[in-house]
Amino acid sequence: AQSVAQPEDQVNVAEGNPLTVKCTYSVSGNPYLFWYVQYPNRGLQFLLKYITGDNLVKGSYGFEAEFNKSQTSFHLKKPSALVSDSALYFCAVRDPTTSGTYKYIFGTGTRLKVLA
Amino acid sequence: EPEVTQTPSHQVTQMGQEVILRCVPISNHLYFYWYRQILGQKVEFLVSFYNNEISEKSEIFDDQFSVERPDGSNFTLKIRSTKLEDSAMYFCASIEGTEAFFGQGTRLTVV
Repeated sequence: AQSVAQPEDQVNVAEGNPLTVKCTYSVSGNPYLFWYVQYPNRGLQFLLKYITGDNLVKGSYGFEAEFNKSQTSFHLKKPSALVSDSALYFCAVRDPTTSGTYKYIFGTGTRLKVLA
Repeated sequence: EPEVTQTPSHQVTQMGQEVILRCVPISNHLYFYWYRQILGQKVEFLVSFYNNEISEKSEIFDDQFSVERPDGSNFTLKIRSTKLEDSAMYFCASIEGTEAFFGQGTRLTVV
């Protein structure tokens, strides 16, 4: 069965410091991996995705994520955090081998707090 | 930029009442979804819809829930008799290729 784990409920980082939000996954085939961000009282906003190719993918707002197949991880990173990055971040996986539904499985979310 | 729109943004209803949550997916998308997020918890899959029928549903999606696409554009989620535990944010999504586009959500509060 597909699953996604985000081991940290909250990550605190000082503004200007690098940030990492962790995600590991379990899927039978080659996964499609995604990061979404949710600001208070807002919907889910797409940040980036990994489908195939280069293991380092770049996304919106200066975020990037590294796909590591051996560690089954897809950690979200940013070289220099901003206070405005404070939000709830969700990792999601889609198993492209499951027919028909294109169902996404979400992690439990990690609250990122960037301190000024 | 095309987007998924959901109405209403917030709905308060009494326990036992029926509610209909509405979504307008992006026009050329073929796959549609409902997800829900109970406050502070993870986003959970409810149902997927393709070619005017349900293609998969979760165990949450019991007989109290139904979906339809009544006019080829709107995509609705109906809860027949709401319970307190149905209080959540409900997200609609449509998919193009490998990317899911989510609406801004409807916050349902059952009192």
